Amino acid sequence: DIVMTQSPDSLAVSLGERATINCKSSQSVLYSSNNKNYLAWYQQKPGQPPKLLLYWASTRESGVPDRFSGSGSGTDFTLTISSLQAEDVAVYYCQQYYSTPYSFGQGTNLEIK
Amino acid sequence: QVQLVQSGAEVKKPGASVKVSCMASGYTFNSYGITWVRQAPGQGLEWMGWINVYNGNTHYARKLQGRVTMTTDTSTSTAYMELRSLRSDDTAMYYCGRGGVVFPTAVGNNWVDPWGQGTLVTVSS
Repeated sequence: DIVMTQSPDSLAVSLGERATINCKSSQSVLYSSNNKNYLAWYQQKPGQPPKLLLYWASTRESGVPDRFSGSGSGTDFTLTISSLQAEDVAVYYCQQYYSTPYSFGQGTNLEIK
Repeated sequence: QVQLVQSGAEVKKPGASVKVSCMASGYTFNSYGITWVRQAPGQGLEWMGWINVYNGNTHYARKLQGRVTMTTDTSTSTAYMELRSLRSDDTAMYYCGRGGVVFPTAVGNNWVDPWGQGTLVTVSS
């Protein structure tokens, strides 16, 4: 099974500053035949279900602000929020969908400093 | 718009079973999979399994094998997740979500989007 590990567990960033969350998989989630990374990012606000932000590691879901971006390949990935807004306070999860079980990272709690 | 609406909260005793429903609308139901995820209070997301709605094939998390069954009723565009022999550590919010395309060809896009609103299952004596 692929184990997903996020860092840090929690993060406090000032409004307008950059926030960076890392996600590492225990084995590569890059599928060589199509050169795609099978990695998604979700945002979960209190009392709500998760919301898809990015898939294929770097493709923004429709309607997601462009301050959210994803990068990385193979086993190391990053979610970046370029200029933190108050509404971005949430827990962020990465998920691999390369092979079942489609495991999630443990989550990163993002707060305002 | 694509929407998944789940059944209401449940309270069960240890050893009982629970069956959560997830009604889909706004898309062709049997062209996608359905994923089930749970979240214990204050904890992270746990992938429970996935069902290919087109052919009924399932993949379950190893720790739930033997206790969980995922099914669908294509006539009502509804997915079901049954969990048996409930324990206190099964207390969680249970979510369904649309998985990847499975028909006419699976394309591997097995992220979860959108998600249902969640069903709280409480296991308590």
